[in-house]
Amino acid sequence: EAQVTQNPRYLITVTGKKLTVTCSQNMNHEYMSWYRQDPGLGLRQIYYSMNVEVTDKGDVPEGYKVSRKEKRNFPLILESPSPNQTSLYFCASSWTRNTEAFFGQGTRLTVV
Amino acid sequence: AQTVTQSQPEMSVQEAETVTLSCTYDTSENNYYLFWYKQPPSRQMILVIRQEAYKQQNATENRFSVNFQKAAKSFSLKISDSQLGDTAMYFCAFMKPPATGANSKLTFGKGITLSVRP
Repeated sequence: EAQVTQNPRYLITVTGKKLTVTCSQNMNHEYMSWYRQDPGLGLRQIYYSMNVEVTDKGDVPEGYKVSRKEKRNFPLILESPSPNQTSLYFCASSWTRNTEAFFGQGTRLTVV
Repeated sequence: AQTVTQSQPEMSVQEAETVTLSCTYDTSENNYYLFWYKQPPSRQMILVIRQEAYKQQNATENRFSVNFQKAAKSFSLKISDSQLGDTAMYFCAFMKPPATGANSKLTFGKGITLSVRP
């Protein structure tokens, strides 16, 4: 089954404690992206990757890092989380010449 | 930069009736794609319908159809015969044509919460 898998689905952490949210896709997609969803703001792009070792900033990259060492995986790293990063996070993937984006199930992150 | 505006934060409709969700956008592009996504309480993002700007014909998917007005930059979603399972948040989104080496970013509106009453 074609899917994008995020882990964990829920996470509560404390300010400053490094964390990683994993994202994996099994469709051999070149393009992967991270979004955050906040009430009244919709979804906003954090980072994206067009292929292995090719990443770039989206609209709200501050406080986040990503890596793309393998085509299937695109982890989101918060080196020193802060309460303003409390949000719902989505990973998405697609072919670079296709409009259909496949989304993961979302990760609800709370930073206290 | 593109912007997507959904001005209605909430709507409610009686089961079996028809409801229309509004969306406007701003872009200088001539070719682009527009989408409606559904987010039920499970939080999963589900693609409802897609419209290519170069197509004059409005897209239709079963009970879902759009009214695409390119000159007015308007893209509304009509849900016919509303069902309880249509209760969800709905997002309008914009994308420039995907191309190798380019950011295939979706620009989302703020979303609208739709409640279907039994």
